Amino acid sequence: DTGVSQDPRHKITKRGQNVTFRCDPISEHNRLYWYRQTLGQGPEFLTYFQNEAQLEKSRLLSDRFSAERPKGSFSTLEIQRTEQGDSAMYLCASSSFIAANVLTFGAGSRLTVL
Amino acid sequence: GDSVTQMEGPVTLSEEAFLTINCTYTATGYPSLFWYVQYPGEGLQLLLKATKADDKGSNKGFEATYRKETTSFHLEKGSVQVSDSAVYFCALSGDAGGTSYGKLTFGQGTILTVHP
Repeated sequence: DTGVSQDPRHKITKRGQNVTFRCDPISEHNRLYWYRQTLGQGPEFLTYFQNEAQLEKSRLLSDRFSAERPKGSFSTLEIQRTEQGDSAMYLCASSSFIAANVLTFGAGSRLTVL
Repeated sequence: GDSVTQMEGPVTLSEEAFLTINCTYTATGYPSLFWYVQYPGEGLQLLLKATKADDKGSNKGFEATYRKETTSFHLEKGSVQVSDSAVYFCALSGDAGGTSYGKLTFGQGTILTVHP
């Protein structure tokens, strides 16, 4: 078990470009979460999946954001037409069905929008 | 909605000092409460948790007791070490019967620096 993996760890992009982040959860975990963390703040919930179904999306998740988990394993978070305000750390976490509220986090993907 | 409030930081202590980081929450029902720690350059790690009133979570010398009457979950350690320097986050998850079960609401974090 290698834990939750996120890729890339750091992405620098220009405003208006699209970016995609990937998350590989712990293999036996059926729940997968995306959070966003800005400097000096705690993580904020964005969305979560149970298997391949996206069960909840935060109001923070504008139409420019889309997340998928097509086969119930890895997940991608895409941001279209990036804005400077999107600069943040994007965290992925996973949990098992038995311990759904015990989340294991990845190291995060840091996005810098110039 | 659910919310978590942590004491404002940063907190700076000398090695072997006593640590308290205050955390209070607002939630309906019976949430589970957590402390996560984030070391420099690393991801969030679960430090300890408590799932019902009066439960005490403990790990690596850290403790926190779920106090429903005061809606608090303060983190304590009797003797801190330099290696405890990190950012500490208090968090809650809605109760098992609710839609927010498994979805964590975090406080803003408290930076702890321990000097030799």
